[in-house]
Amino acid sequence: EAGVVQSPRYKIIEKKQPVAFWCNPISGHNTLYWYRQNLGQGPELLIRYENEEAVDDSQLPKDRFSAERLKGVDSTLKIQPAELGDSAVYLCASRASTGGKDEQYFGPGTRLTVT
Amino acid sequence: GQSLEQPSEVTAVEGAIVQINCTYQTSGFYGLSWYQQHDGGAPTFLSYNALDGLEETGRFSSFLSRSDSYGYLLLQELQMKDSASYFCAVRAFNTGGFKTIFGAGTRLFVKA
Repeated sequence: EAGVVQSPRYKIIEKKQPVAFWCNPISGHNTLYWYRQNLGQGPELLIRYENEEAVDDSQLPKDRFSAERLKGVDSTLKIQPAELGDSAVYLCASRASTGGKDEQYFGPGTRLTVT
Repeated sequence: GQSLEQPSEVTAVEGAIVQINCTYQTSGFYGLSWYQQHDGGAPTFLSYNALDGLEETGRFSSFLSRSDSYGYLLLQELQMKDSASYFCAVRAFNTGGFKTIFGAGTRLFVKA
């Protein structure tokens, strides 16, 4: 079974430039998460999807961040314009919605550096 | 609000046993998860406790006490490859549905 796929793995951009990250979750996983992880910290939720619906985007900085999940499968997270403080690892995770166990499968992440 | 506390670093010797504690303050508590993350890698699920007690999976065990808002991860027969960061994560239910909040992580160093 293929895991969560993310691309690109690394991205270096100048501040004020746009950037986009892509995630393909595990087949059949209805729940998809985007997290941001700063060095030495735990993942922080940005947005959670149930199928194609964003059910929790309360921590997404909506002035510059946007996300979509077309047809309830792949998802894209965009930042426009990027700021220096956006440098972090952006993690995508997915979870099968059935069952109470909170077992999330993470992708390898995209390491973003904003200069 | 929601908060989790876990030690920032723990050091242990190969072959030993180590316990990583996690205390939490949260409303709508549903369960506690543990994840392992090697440097540059993705977090990997280890365990989930929704009920009080000990769950064992090979060399790793996880414990939960809901009344004490406390849990721990126990690693036995430590190996060098266990050197990694370990995160506890609370699953809570409130307005807006379920939410997972991660702790800041405990960095485990295993020495030979």
